[in-house]
Amino acid sequence: GDSVTQMEGPVTLSEEAFLTINCTYTATGYPSLFWYVQYPGEGLQLLLKATKADDKGSNKGFEATYRKETTSFHLEKGSVQVSDSAVYFCALLQGAQKLVFGQGTRLTINP
Amino acid sequence: GAVVSQHPSRVICKSGTSVKIECRSLDFQATTMFWYRQFPKQSLMLMATSNEGSKATYEQGVEKDKFLINHASLTLSTLTVTSAHPEDSSFYICSAQDRGGFNTGELFFGEGSRLTVL
Repeated sequence: GDSVTQMEGPVTLSEEAFLTINCTYTATGYPSLFWYVQYPGEGLQLLLKATKADDKGSNKGFEATYRKETTSFHLEKGSVQVSDSAVYFCALLQGAQKLVFGQGTRLTINP
Repeated sequence: GAVVSQHPSRVICKSGTSVKIECRSLDFQATTMFWYRQFPKQSLMLMATSNEGSKATYEQGVEKDKFLINHASLTLSTLTVTSAHPEDSSFYICSAQDRGGFNTGELFFGEGSRLTVL
């Protein structure tokens, strides 16, 4: 079945460092891909998405490009801030409604 | 963005009792709600999909008699863990999709409810 594999955490970086969180997927066809973020004490929020190959999703300085050839959707940010500390989930849309999530990556940014 | 609220955020109960968790969409009508379970350091696992006014669709391996889901209105879905046991201790998360969200994948998530069964 469809699955999503994320880089294992936790990831700890200093402020202004470059961030990459790897995400690869296994799916039939070309599903839409998502990154969700969960800040402490809050529910998951959609961070960005891409619906077809070579699409780039971006939001709040984060970017991810849908790479069909490598079945990847890595999350990147050029300069992280303390406020980016959260758990990040990569997900794919299976069918019309079902989201399949990766295991989540906890990111901590130190000042 | 749209707001989904879960209640309670934390609950501790004795083994054998039943616990109800509510999920409300506060500013939109949710035709479909989803219930997930999250184990420590693991992914969110979809338990069931509920559509307003109809029976929930459970994922393989999820006991429908154990996890009762009711979606009686467009703004409220409930998950009842019946005869809870320590192995049911987990973090339960709901999400909701508004009428305009169909087929886009955008869901709005509640804050989650942590259940501890003693």
